Amino acid sequence: DSGVTQTPKHLITATGQRVTLRCSPRSGDLSVYWYQQSLDQGLQFLIQYYNGEERAKGNILERFSAQQFPDLHSELNLSSLELGDSALYFCASSVAPVGPDTQYFGPGTRLTVL
Amino acid sequence: TQLLEQSPQFLSIQEGENLTVYCNSSSVFSSLQWYRQEPGEGPVLLVTVVTGGEVKKLKRLTFQFGDARKDSSLHITAAQPGDTGLYLCAVHGATNKLIFGTGTLLAVQP
Repeated sequence: DSGVTQTPKHLITATGQRVTLRCSPRSGDLSVYWYQQSLDQGLQFLIQYYNGEERAKGNILERFSAQQFPDLHSELNLSSLELGDSALYFCASSVAPVGPDTQYFGPGTRLTVL
Repeated sequence: TQLLEQSPQFLSIQEGENLTVYCNSSSVFSSLQWYRQEPGEGPVLLVTVVTGGEVKKLKRLTFQFGDARKDSSLHITAAQPGDTGLYLCAVHGATNKLIFGTGTLLAVQP
């Protein structure tokens, strides 16, 4: 158990819909990262937050957004969903915002868009 | 073009066999990490290598960082079914984000 929790475990929805994925970091970790894992693109960095502030952006679509709340949990919002958004979404956390600092990954949310 | 290319992409072997997985790049890195991901789980850090030529051992797993710090290998001795999973190499980008390799999916048959 990494100490990072993600909900829900599975999510099935239709094209055009909006979903919210939730992540609670390990106790004491201030930095949260979101990654997307798909068969064709592999595991790719989406976005990072540190202590409530956006720190870095990767290959994140404009239809996607995230935030980190004062209690340090984070949410990833995916809107206008397309079939190609079906993937595993992982959250990771670390103490520091700069590296190399070990990241601990949650179990992921499997999103299926029908 | 991927920054980190792993080979082979898939590997299916019998219990007790040895295997080597490679992670290659044309870039130089200050450090490189190896992760294992089991079905339904997130990646778990196995090792970090930081010095060119460095060799680290974790039970039956041996990790090596290339002399030029552009590539790395993972060797598993006497593979067991519990070694089954997706093996990923990764490097840190700016702000601690991780850049992952293309992955090697290993299946060890009992």
